[in-house]
Amino acid sequence: DTAVSQTPKYLVTQMGNDKSIKCEQNLGHDTMYWYKQDSKKFLKIMFSYNNKELIINETVPNRFSPKSPDKAHLNLHINSLELGDSAVYFCASSGGARTEAFFGQGTRLTVV
Amino acid sequence: AQTVTQSQPEMSVQEAETVTLSCTYDTSENNYYLFWYKQPPSRQMILVIRQEAYKQQNATENRFSVNFQKAAKSFSLKISDSQLGDTAMYFCAFGRNRDDKIIFGKGTRLHILP
Repeated sequence: DTAVSQTPKYLVTQMGNDKSIKCEQNLGHDTMYWYKQDSKKFLKIMFSYNNKELIINETVPNRFSPKSPDKAHLNLHINSLELGDSAVYFCASSGGARTEAFFGQGTRLTVV
Repeated sequence: AQTVTQSQPEMSVQEAETVTLSCTYDTSENNYYLFWYKQPPSRQMILVIRQEAYKQQNATENRFSVNFQKAAKSFSLKISDSQLGDTAMYFCAFGRNRDDKIIFGKGTRLHILP
């Protein structure tokens, strides 16, 4: 059983399109995150949710909108995709900052 | 704001040698946690070791150990008897207790040479 699963694993799309990445965790964690890993491997936090409530919203363009229908799911919707959005997006969950964060396998988004 | 700095972008060592990866952080928080994560070419993020800031004793996990210097805000990772499978990106991370924010350093790419 995969603890944190993201779909799709790869996503290639044209500029201007809207796309979504789904994330689900079966660990019973209250906290979920979205991170962006750029081509230089820098992992930057985008959002965190705790029990469906937005806790952290870093300086991310409004085109990125997370949605948490329940505490096991945190989806990321991106509007009007730009070339600079190309990156690997990781979903993660944890029982809090004191514990291990479990990561999904990442979604490689390529905007052409 | 918290920052995590890894000053070594890339390192190479021979198999079986010991290697130390450095990490410093800046925070005014009192309650926090520190982590080292490994990201092999498979892209999967794997926890290597975890340290609670209120504990003075350095964490160890088999061949992996840390040197935690709280006053200096330093958290280095030592890998003993390095193996080819240790080749990966290593990320130092800071976990802030009050809002569960986890931030990462820019990573160190470690190559273990046969």
